[in-house]
Amino acid sequence: AQSVAQPEDQVNVAEGNPLTVKCTYSVSGNPYLFWYVQYPNRGLQFLLKYITGDNLVKGSYGFEAEFNKSQTSFHLKKPSALVSDSALYFCAVSRSSGGSYIPTFGRGTSLIVHP
Amino acid sequence: KAGVTQTPRYLIKTRGQQVTLSCSPISGHRSVSWYQQTPGQGLQFLFEYFSETQRNKGNFPGRFSGRQFSNSRSEMNVSTLELGDSALYLCASSLGSASSYNEQFFGPGTRLTVL
Repeated sequence: AQSVAQPEDQVNVAEGNPLTVKCTYSVSGNPYLFWYVQYPNRGLQFLLKYITGDNLVKGSYGFEAEFNKSQTSFHLKKPSALVSDSALYFCAVSRSSGGSYIPTFGRGTSLIVHP
Repeated sequence: KAGVTQTPRYLIKTRGQQVTLSCSPISGHRSVSWYQQTPGQGLQFLFEYFSETQRNKGNFPGRFSGRQFSNSRSEMNVSTLELGDSALYLCASSLGSASSYNEQFFGPGTRLTVL
């Protein structure tokens, strides 16, 4: 069975500082990895995904994520945090072609950016 | 393009009643997935419909059911409501199967409260 772990329930960072939200995964075969963001009282919004190729993926709003196969990680990063980045972030994994694997989401990490 | 819409946005029911939630996907998207989001359990996959066929199903009791129409609109039904069914129900659409490399586009959710 595939799984996703977001080891931190909450990440606090000062505005202007770099931020990292951690994600590790477990899946058989090649993973498809995603990051989504959820603002209060809203649905999830897609940020970026890794399918194959370059391990560094760039996404919306200046976010990027690095796929590390040996560490089975897909950490979300941003060089300079904004207060408006404060939200709930979800990592998700899906399976490469073959089989009927449902997308699995982590429990979410609350990012708080302090002014 | 219009985003994913869900109706109603808020719903209050009592135990034992049944409820039907509706989701209209982004035009052209053939896959509709449903998720239950609660503070304790996070985001849990209910089921996915693709071209009117249930493609994947999560680990939920048979009280939870769904269907998809020829225009890709989907409905989710919960019968014999329990207090534990109180949650935010999210619908997501994608161009292809959600169990692949396709990112999902989420609606704002329906907040169900069971009294």
